[in-house]
Amino acid sequence: NAGVTQTPKFRVLKTGQSMTLLCAQDMNHEYMYWYRQDPGMGLRLIHYSVGEGTTAKGEVPDGYNVSRLKKQNFLLGLESAAPSQTSVYFCASSWGQRETQYFGPGTRLLVL
Amino acid sequence: GQQLNQSPQSMFIQEGEDVSMNCTSSSIFNTWLWYKQDPGEGPVLLIALYKAGELTSNGRLTAQFGITRKDSFLNISASIPSDVGIYFCAGQPAGNEKLTFGTGTRLTIIP
Repeated sequence: NAGVTQTPKFRVLKTGQSMTLLCAQDMNHEYMYWYRQDPGMGLRLIHYSVGEGTTAKGEVPDGYNVSRLKKQNFLLGLESAAPSQTSVYFCASSWGQRETQYFGPGTRLLVL
Repeated sequence: GQQLNQSPQSMFIQEGEDVSMNCTSSSIFNTWLWYKQDPGEGPVLLIALYKAGELTSNGRLTAQFGITRKDSFLNISASIPSDVGIYFCAGQPAGNEKLTFGTGTRLTIIP
């Protein structure tokens, strides 16, 4: 039981490049989330999903897209990376709205 | 978006000391959570609080859900080296299913 895993662990992009971050959970959780963490800002919600095939915007969705084609996977896409998207990205999952969120180890993204 | 006010931002203490940190909000919260994040890792849940006035312990950690539902406190007794890390509060505002996180308290233990 791996919990929540994230791929890749670290990535460097040039401005304008695209990439997809993968989150996978093996706990059969309905809810999945993508956060970004910046110094002094805590974690901010980018997008989330309340079940397979659903997605919703969080606090800072601009510049990102997500997909939840399979219950266990939640993909975060950057179509045209910008330096402002340099951050640490965390995925999380939970059984439901008020249930504990379990976090992955994070993906460090540097956009030059 | 709303962020919780968490204080202090950082703490430098000696091993064995007790630690207190708190989180405040301008609006009412239905749930308060406390997470710890080790370097290079994701946050891990320490304590969850679901009722105003609730006091819950997890080993040397104790957290309380404020009576006004606008604040929460975390205490760590007799700190040890593995307590080092960043502690985040998080809460679910009334009528909102999404978590709001505090800005974190970085705990450092001085040898």
